[in-house]
Parts: sequence; C-alpha cells; structure tokens
Amino acid sequence: DAKTTQPNSMESNEEEPVHLPCNHSTISGTDYIHWYRQLPSQGPEYVIHGLTSNVNNRMASLAIAEDRKSSTLILHRATLRDAAVYYCILRDIYNFNKFYFGSGTKLNVKP
Amino acid sequence: NAGVTQTPKFRILKIGQSMTLQCTQDMNHNYMYWYRQDPGMGLKLIYYSVGAGITDKGEVPNGYNVSRSTTEDFPLRLELAAPSQTSVYFCASISGEGSYEQYFGPGTRLTVT
Repeated sequence: DAKTTQPNSMESNEEEPVHLPCNHSTISGTDYIHWYRQLPSQGPEYVIHGLTSNVNNRMASLAIAEDRKSSTLILHRATLRDAAVYYCILRDIYNFNKFYFGSGTKLNVKP
Repeated sequence: NAGVTQTPKFRILKIGQSMTLQCTQDMNHNYMYWYRQDPGMGLKLIYYSVGAGITDKGEVPNGYNVSRSTTEDFPLRLELAAPSQTSVYFCASISGEGSYEQYFGPGTRLTVT
C-alpha cells in the first residue's frame, strides 16, 4: 500500500496562510490524493482530494507536484477552528474500499 | 439526516468480556468501515463492508468480528477483550465507487482493564 509522510506538527498564526506538506514518493498512477482533518475529540472529516491538477474548494486548496510525488494542502487564512490533525491519504481507484491513514500533521494555530 | 451514529460513546470492559459496538448510517451508503485510533496515532482499518452480506478484513482485524445484515447497520464485535484493544473506535461510510467523501461517526471510547 502506498505510504505518505507528513511532519508531526506545524504551527501557524491566525489569519495567515498555512501550507501543509505531504510526501508520497511511491504513488501510483491510479492513486487519488485525499486530505482529511480531525478536530479534537471528533471523527475525521473530508477536506479535499485530487488526482493530477490543483484543486480548490471552500475549505482549502490542494497543490499537487507535477511528478505527483508530493502535495500541499493550503489553508488560505487559518482560524483557531482550523487547529486539528491533518491526514494525507492515498486511495487507489481500483482498490477504493480502503483508506490508509498515516499519523498526520498536528496544526496549532496561535491567536 | 443523522449521518453516522455510534453507540455507546464510552465503555469500560474487564479483560475477557465481550461487547458489540453499534454503528448505523441513514444515508443509504453501500460502503461502511470500522477504524481504531490509539492515543496520538492515526486511524487503522479493522474491517470494511461493500454492501449487505459482504465484509472483508482491514489492517488490524484480529480480535474483532463484523456482520452486515442490512445496509444501515454495521456492528463490530469484540470477543475476549484485551488491554491492547483500549482505543477509540470510529465507524464511517461512503456511498459508492465514485464517491470520495467518507463520513465518520463520533466514535466510541473503549477502555479494557
């Protein structure tokens, strides 16, 4: 199963942009890149996903490297409510049943 | 819609006891999942189901059993509880093959002593 590598923790100031990196050097051509986040004492929630092109939605942007071996989740203006653990996950479209979560990045947002 | 609901929220078991964690979704999703999350760690997949009557193992299935008799319900059974099963358990669902958003329940915090 393809693996992802993320920093254990990051810190940001409120209302500043945050760039959360993820390395996935063994990604295959059929792997989608998903991001989920887990707020304290809650289950994870979907943030964004992509295959090759950069993606934007109301929560965040996803920038995918041209070789797809890395990606970056961008929160354009961090708020205190964005403090969470962010997980980068690869999901094979032919083995779509399974989501493999790594350890994630714990984001701390300072006021 | 209530989404994905789990019961109980908390439970303390003695070593060797058994219990069933309940999970129900009202979104008519075909795919359902059970994960466990140990303190400070990410989620590990225990079992999953692609529809009523069909289940399969994930990464860490030992010590657990599941069944899926209806689309809505996906209970997780712990037999002979062990301290290593102390964890937070999350149930999740997703509608189908083309779907990308997994919906999670609030979790069940289980302690085995």
